Amino acid sequence: NAGVTQTPKFQVLKTGQSMTLQCAQDMNHEYMSWYRQDPGMGLRLIHYSVGAGITDQGEVPNGYNVSRSTTEDFPLRLLSAAPSQTSVYFCASSYSAGEAFFGQGTRLTVV
Amino acid sequence: AQRVTQPEKLLSVFKGAPVELKCNYSYSGSPELFWYVQYSRQRLQLLLRHISRESIKGFTADLNKGETSFHLKKPFAQEEDSAMYYCAGNTGKLIFGQGTTLQVKP
Repeated sequence: NAGVTQTPKFQVLKTGQSMTLQCAQDMNHEYMSWYRQDPGMGLRLIHYSVGAGITDQGEVPNGYNVSRSTTEDFPLRLLSAAPSQTSVYFCASSYSAGEAFFGQGTRLTVV
Repeated sequence: AQRVTQPEKLLSVFKGAPVELKCNYSYSGSPELFWYVQYSRQRLQLLLRHISRESIKGFTADLNKGETSFHLKKPFAQEEDSAMYYCAGNTGKLIFGQGTTLQVKP
């Protein structure tokens, strides 16, 4: 049972480039979410989804897009990378917005 | 605004000392609160949820509605408790506090 899988683990982008962070879960969870982790700021919610076809904004959604076409996948797109988006990104899934299972994280550097 | 606050960035104690990691919340309704832990080079994982009122790895947390707090406690800290601890609340979406690094010195 893989749980929550994020790819890639590390990525370096140039300012202005776009990319997609992948997240997949095999637990048939309805609720999925993306967070960014920054020193002193804790985990901040970017976007979340309560089921296929439904997404909503979290605390820091600007500069990011998401879609949820299947229960298993919840990709996060950076439209035009900025240095302020340098962070560690975590994907999580759960049956509801409660006991979440996390991926191993993606460390993104924007230069 | 719905918020979970952890006032301490770093808590440093000696092995065997008591530990209390503070968490306060500010949202209406019946709170559903959690403590998550991230050990070095491991995934973030659930430690405790207030509904179950359980003790995990010697840690307990009591919901105090009057003080809107959900502090995490352990009577005798161990070196392996060193980690980042996050308090979180379910407001329809899961939101986290700023995190507290617990450092247990030998």
